[in-house]
Amino acid sequence: KAGVTQTPRYLIKTRGQQVTLSCSPISGHRSVSWYQQTPGQGLQFLFEYFSETQRNKGNFPGRFSGRQFSNSRSEMNVSTLELGDSALYLCASSLTRTEETQYFGPGTRLLVL
Amino acid sequence: KNQVEQSPQSLIILEGKNCTLQCNYTVSPFSNLRWYKQDTGRGPVSLTIMTFSENTKSNGRYTATLDADTKQSSLHITASQLSDSASYICVVGGNAGGTSYGKLTFGQGTILTVHP
Repeated sequence: KAGVTQTPRYLIKTRGQQVTLSCSPISGHRSVSWYQQTPGQGLQFLFEYFSETQRNKGNFPGRFSGRQFSNSRSEMNVSTLELGDSALYLCASSLTRTEETQYFGPGTRLLVL
Repeated sequence: KNQVEQSPQSLIILEGKNCTLQCNYTVSPFSNLRWYKQDTGRGPVSLTIMTFSENTKSNGRYTATLDADTKQSSLHITASQLSDSASYICVVGGNAGGTSYGKLTFGQGTILTVHP
């Protein structure tokens, strides 16, 4: 069974640009969550999607958005990039929204210059 | 403010030795506590998940304990191996609309290095 996949793995952008990251969950998993990881702040929750609906959102500005498709694949978008957006963006999937193990992807490393 | 504090920040041990990592939290309402292992350059991997009523949970050489009264958890690693070198992250789940995912508070992690 394939794990969570994220594309691209590495990305370099400049300030002001926008970026779209993609996440394909494990087959059959319907819940997808996104996290930002930086050396200073550690892991921080961005948002959770289930059945194409955003169920929860972390404390991030509106520049961060996402969506989930009918096949459970998810994308997140960051507009008007800032230097501080440089981070590892992790996606995690689980079967449902209940108390279950989340499986993380390898992440997308974004560098904003 | 919900917080999760881990100690020590980093730890170096010799292969074969045991070690214990600590996690203190102030998260309310509490739903569950998770320990993750994150190898460099990879996503975190779940080691254990404990709810309020569970005191201990094991996963191979990893044993997590939870004291919900004192809001403390520990992760004990037995007979350490070189492959245990990683960051260990304590995550406490709150409660948000039927799931804890939306209210996860992460610790900064403990970086464990195992030397031969």
